Amino acid sequence: DQQVKQNSPSLSVQEGRISILNCDYTNSMFDYFLWYKKYPAEGPTFLISISSIKDKNEDGRFTVFLNKSAKHLSLHIVPSQPGDSAVYFCAASYTGTASKLTFGTGTRLQVTL
Amino acid sequence: GAVVSQHPSWVICKSGTSVKIECRSLDFQATTMFWYRQFPKQSLMLMATSNEGSKATYEQGVEKDKFLINHASLTLSTLTVTSAHPEDSSFYICSAWGGGEAKNIQYFGAGTRLSVL
Repeated sequence: DQQVKQNSPSLSVQEGRISILNCDYTNSMFDYFLWYKKYPAEGPTFLISISSIKDKNEDGRFTVFLNKSAKHLSLHIVPSQPGDSAVYFCAASYTGTASKLTFGTGTRLQVTL
Repeated sequence: GAVVSQHPSWVICKSGTSVKIECRSLDFQATTMFWYRQFPKQSLMLMATSNEGSKATYEQGVEKDKFLINHASLTLSTLTVTSAHPEDSSFYICSAWGGGEAKNIQYFGAGTRLSVL
């Protein structure tokens, strides 16, 4: 049972444009969401997170939007840069505990020149 | 962000031997560490959760006698793959959670690629 889903396995965006990566979840108990970036043969790098009490969190070029009623979150990267090319994973957890993360299947972003 | 070091980054071993992977939190004390496994083009699958000084909690389907986890200090956890076989070949990644400002954020090591011949 895939509780966190990223339905787009890949995405190609031109440099300077906006990249939008989507993530859906089914478990309404999740109340904390994170995005990680991963290069091949490396561990994931934390990018940005959002609590369920918010609907938006922004950090530089990265903005995460949360729509609880739709159980959907998205990561916006603007402007996209070639160095952003990587696999992006969304993850969900429960606050208040050192709880395990449930990862999505990942979206491979390629930023072209 | 917090730094997590994982060693070795790549190991090749013969079938039947045991391999130990270390995971260290370098600049914070990790109350909890997690071990994941990733197959090619798939997501990260949690194997086990370890808390300092106590036994690890394994996910369903993970053999605890095969994947031995020790979390002896707040900065070090080890995963030992015992009697490794080719089907154990995979990418193993650890993460650490320190609480406090790192609430709900897990910081990951660089991963270990295990190849069992």
